[in-house]
Formats: sequence, C-alpha cells, structure tokens
Amino acid sequence: ETGVTQTPRHLVMGMTNKKSLKCEQHLGHNAMYWYKQSAKKPLELMFVYSLEERVENNSVPSRFSPECPNSSHLFLHLHTLQPEDSALYLCASSQDGSGRGFFGPGTRLTVL
Amino acid sequence: QKEVEQDPGPLSVPEGAIVSLNCTYSNSAFQYFMWYRQYSRKGPELLMYTYSSGNKEDGRFTAQVDKSSKYISLFIRDSQPSDSATYLCAMSKNTGTASKLTFGTGTRLQVTL
Repeated sequence: ETGVTQTPRHLVMGMTNKKSLKCEQHLGHNAMYWYKQSAKKPLELMFVYSLEERVENNSVPSRFSPECPNSSHLFLHLHTLQPEDSALYLCASSQDGSGRGFFGPGTRLTVL
Repeated sequence: QKEVEQDPGPLSVPEGAIVSLNCTYSNSAFQYFMWYRQYSRKGPELLMYTYSSGNKEDGRFTAQVDKSSKYISLFIRDSQPSDSATYLCAMSKNTGTASKLTFGTGTRLQVTL
C-alpha cells in the first residue's frame, strides 16, 4: 500500500449506530488530519494530530471522537450521528510546517 | 467574509484552451499556497505548491501568487478532457508540524471535446 488509505470507502448508518472510520498513512509523516467535505462548502478541518497528540479540535460535536494510536493510524469513531453529518470524510497526512496535505480517497458517509 | 474566496463555476472550456482559476484571501499571514485537483468520488490530489509570492511551473500547469493583492492563480495550458475536475485552492501559515489548511470552495472545470 502506498500513500494514504481509508476504510471503508462507503458507509451507511442509522442514527443510533456506532461505527469507526480508519485511516492509514504509508508516507512516514508525523501529522494526521480529519476533514469533512460537504456539497458546495469548503473542506472543514475537524481534528489535527501531531506526533500522536491532538493539537486542534475545531469545535466538532462530541458524537465524533478521534483516536490516533500511532503516527501511521488515525480513527474517527462515530455515534448517534445526525442526517446532516452525511458527507465525505477525508483523512490527510503531512510532514513539513506548511501543512501540505496528502489525502486519502475518503469515506462517503450516509446517515439515515 | 470567508477567509478564502473561490468562484465555484462550473467553468466550461473547449479542449486546447488556456484555463485560469483564481482565489482571493483575506489573511495576510498565509505563507504557503496550494492547488489540489479532485476528481469525482476521489480525494484531493496535490497539484501545485508554492511558498510566498512568485510563479511556479510544472508541465502544463503554472501557479502564481501575488501576496500584495492576496490573489493566487492556476493556469492550465492546452487543456485536456482529463483535466475535467474540481480545483481547490488551499493555503496555510507555518505553525509547526501540524499546520492546518484553509480551503476555497473549489471550481468545477469541464473541458469539452
């Protein structure tokens, strides 16, 4: 595997379900990010981890819970989501101070 | 006012045309400027990366940054149908190893035969 991978690619869940999104980067980077992409809106930064420590939580509701067990893996745990949370969730990694991110393919999430 | 403004398009051009995509921004602290290309149902792919003002060329693509006007551009020469995608501008300031990117909404480009 190369670059940034994400699983699953598609996810449909009910409002009472609990699920997790997984991201893995194979680039040796030390920072990882979760972004949310909704139609006609700019990418929204959700969480940032640097060296496995969370450095930013961009006012994200507590129904989204990130986890970064090591510098290569990032999870987003989901519970009691709302239909408006339906979006493309993108993971990215970066190495240098520019934040120049390399993105995974995303998980398309639909909340019923 | 949004930090980064980008015309959402769609922009439709014939094959072979020169395409100009632009973003304006309000935060003078931004130092790094990027263009991403995103095909339908895919993640964004880094296309061009520039530090501070100036031009950068890579094949058919040229990125320009004018910090005095807070304006960045991406030019695509000899556009091809395979260039049809959404182009996202992004920018950041150096805050360490986990600098965050601020994105425009993206411009959808359609190159027709």
